[in-house]
This record gives sequence, C-alpha cells and structure tokens, in this order.
Amino acid sequence: AQSVTQPDIHITVSEGASLELRCNYSYGATPYLFWYVQSPGQGLQLLLKYFSGDTLVQGIKGFEAEFKRSQSSFNLRKPSVHWSDAAEYFCAVGGLDQTGANNLFFGTGTRLTVIP
Amino acid sequence: GAGVSQSPRYKVAKRGQDVALRCDPISGHVSLFWYQQALGQGPEFLTYFQNEAQLDKSGLPSDRFFAERPEGSVSTLKIQRTQQEDSAVYLCASSIMSNQPQHFGDGTRLSIL
Repeated sequence: AQSVTQPDIHITVSEGASLELRCNYSYGATPYLFWYVQSPGQGLQLLLKYFSGDTLVQGIKGFEAEFKRSQSSFNLRKPSVHWSDAAEYFCAVGGLDQTGANNLFFGTGTRLTVIP
Repeated sequence: GAGVSQSPRYKVAKRGQDVALRCDPISGHVSLFWYQQALGQGPEFLTYFQNEAQLDKSGLPSDRFFAERPEGSVSTLKIQRTQQEDSAVYLCASSIMSNQPQHFGDGTRLSIL
C-alpha cells in the first residue's frame, strides 16, 4: 500500500539556519515524488519533483531534495531559511496506475516556524 | 485564468443540505483531480477525470459524493445530505497530462453546522 510518513509535525528554526524536513514513503512501483508548500488559506504550490534521473533535484525558492531508494526517503533541504518560508510542507508520492492517473498520496505535513 | 480557480472559497451549510463546489482547471489540462483535506491533515484523493471521463472514484467516501466534468473542462463536486464529518477543505488540481505535476487551486473550505 502507498503511504507517506513525515515524522516531524512541527519544526522551529532560526532565520538563516539550515533546514531539513524528513519524508519516508512506501510505494509498490517506481515512485514519483513531490514536495508541496501550503500557506494558510492557500492551495498547494509545487516546490520540486522527482520522476527519474539525478537523485538530487533542485526546486524553487532555493529548496532541494535527495531521493534515496535504499532508505525510501525524499528529504527536503534548504541551506539558509528565510522568514517567508514559514508554512506547511507536504511530501507526496504518486505514480501511474492502471487508469493512467497519477493520484498523489500525501503525508500529514510538517509545519515550519521561523524565528528571527 | 492562469491558475486553477475554485468557487466558492468558503461555504457554510446546515447538516442535511446539498452543496456544489466548482473547479475551473487550467485551460488545456486534460487531467483533473479532487482531494479532501481535513483539518491538520494532508490532502486525500477523492476522484480523477481524464477529459470528461471519470476514470477513478475510489476515494469518494460515500454515495453522497458525486463529481462530474461533462465537457472536459469545468468540474463540479456535489455532496448530498451533508454531515458534519464532511467539513474540510476541498482541493481541485489539474495537470496537462496525467504523468505531469498537478497544479492546485486555493480550495473551498466547507463547514457543516
């Protein structure tokens, strides 16, 4: 069965500090992996995606993530956090099923607080 | 418009009433998805359309939930005889093809009193 685990419900970091958000997944086939960010009252914005190829992927806003098949992980990183990064972050896994759909399975999210 | 548009943004209904939520996907996007996001949770898949065909409705929680996309563009999610547990944010997403990233609307926050 497909599932995503984000073990950290809430993380607080100081502005300028580095950030790593953890994501572990379970998926029966080759996964498509995504990180989305959600600000209060807003929809989800795609930060980055992994479909195949280079396991280190770069996204928007200075984020990057590394796919590690052996660990079933897709952790999100940023070297220096800005106050505007405070939001909810969701990891998601998907892949084409028999209908051709790319349904996404989301984790429960990690809320990031940035302190001055 | 440039993005996925959902209306209304907020909907309050009394238990037992029917509601209809609308989604305008990005023009030209073949695939359309509906998700339900309960408070403090990640989105959960409800249903998927490819053009006007509803190919997967396995995530719809009960037969009170119904979705349509009759002309392969705008989609409507209808909930009949609403119950308090239907309170959630309903997100619509579209993608140009099913194997491409999904673009999400801002959602409709549904509150059932």
